[in-house]
Amino acid sequence: QSVLTQPPSASGTPGQRVTISCSGSNSNVGTNSVFWFQQLPGTAPKILIYNSFHRASGVPDRFSGSRSGTSASLAISGLQSEDEADYYCAAWDESLNAFVVFGGGTKLTVV
Amino acid sequence: QVQLVQSGAEVKKPGASVNVSCKTSGYTFTGYYIHWVRQAPGQGLEWVGRISPNSGGTNYAQKFQGRVTMTRDTSSSTAYMELRGLTSDDTAVYYCARNNYGVFGPDYWGQGALVTVSS
Repeated sequence: QSVLTQPPSASGTPGQRVTISCSGSNSNVGTNSVFWFQQLPGTAPKILIYNSFHRASGVPDRFSGSRSGTSASLAISGLQSEDEADYYCAAWDESLNAFVVFGGGTKLTVV
Repeated sequence: QVQLVQSGAEVKKPGASVNVSCKTSGYTFTGYYIHWVRQAPGQGLEWVGRISPNSGGTNYAQKFQGRVTMTRDTSSSTAYMELRGLTSDDTAVYYCARNNYGVFGPDYWGQGALVTVSS
């Protein structure tokens, strides 16, 4: 059971805009930065968004992050077939039990 | 160019320990935290902990407290993660990653080291 909650799956057609949500609590998403990762099959994760809104170097501006209260979202516009991957959110957690917590991941399918 | 090269796959028996290395190159080793993240087969990502190569200071996820030790060797720019008391639940790919963005924004990752725990 992951600390952050993501939908297990999402889908879209080429050119469409999709959003992936990440729900947490006041000890993580509500007060700390959120990070988004993309993981293609058999490869290490790749950071997309850091500090909730900022794109990492080399990440297309089709990817954007937002945060409101204890929820965050990753939006992908102009969906492309190569965007089909697993997406994970993560956040720093101020509770005594954790420093970095992850969502369970969302499998994005481009149909 | 920045590289993180991890040690190879390991097969361990329950109760044993494993030591995974992460040799870095192409940047100033002491300038960036190293995080360790694991992924069980078909499962999501799980943060294990981090080490400051500069000070040697560490932070571990509570789940691994008492079972994990992260160290570094600045002379060889290598980070290490030792996990003790292995169970089948520890079977996973273990990644090291260099932090560059905020508190948890790794930009370069190792290739991963598969640790299999089986009797």
